[in-house]
Amino acid sequence: NAGVTQTPKFRILKIGQSMTLQCTQDMNHNYMYWYRQDPGMGLKLIYYSVGAGITDKGEVPNGYNVSRSTTEDFPLRLELAAPSQTSVYFCASSLLGQGEHEQYFGPGTRLTVT
Amino acid sequence: TQLLEQSPQFLSIQEGENLTVYCNSSSVFSSLQWYRQEPGEGPVLLVTVVTGGEVKKLKRLTFQFGDARKDSSLHITAAQPGDTGLYLCARDTGRRALTFGSGTRLQVQP
Repeated sequence: NAGVTQTPKFRILKIGQSMTLQCTQDMNHNYMYWYRQDPGMGLKLIYYSVGAGITDKGEVPNGYNVSRSTTEDFPLRLELAAPSQTSVYFCASSLLGQGEHEQYFGPGTRLTVT
Repeated sequence: TQLLEQSPQFLSIQEGENLTVYCNSSSVFSSLQWYRQEPGEGPVLLVTVVTGGEVKKLKRLTFQFGDARKDSSLHITAAQPGDTGLYLCARDTGRRALTFGSGTRLQVQP
């Protein structure tokens, strides 16, 4: 069981470029999440999904897009990267969406936009 | 908004000392989770509390959920360098997702 895997680990983008952050989980979890974590801060929810074909906005969705075509994969797309999107991005999954259920996090992708 | 406030923001202590960190909200939680995040890694769940007044222990860590379910605390006894990390509390938003506090960064000096 690899758990939640994310690629790439690091990336530097120029302003206006686009990229996709990949996230895969092998635990057959229905719920998947994307968070960003700015230096010294907690996590802010970008988008989440309750199952294949279903996605919903979180707290900070502007500038991002997601899709969920399979249970395993939940890619995050950045269009027209901006310096404000410099952050560490974490993908997570959980079996059920209620707050008492554990979220399993990937190791993160550190993104710098210059 | 269902904000979670954590205090203190930073804590630097010597090995062997005790400490308590806090997580507070103006609204009632249905449940609360505590996570620890080590540098360069994702958060890892420590505990979930769901009942007002509940106390859970995990080795040297004691977690308490307030009677009114608006606050929680984490107490560490005899801190060790391995306890160093960012401690995050998180609550259910009611939309099948979590809201995280901004965290307490703990540094335990040997």
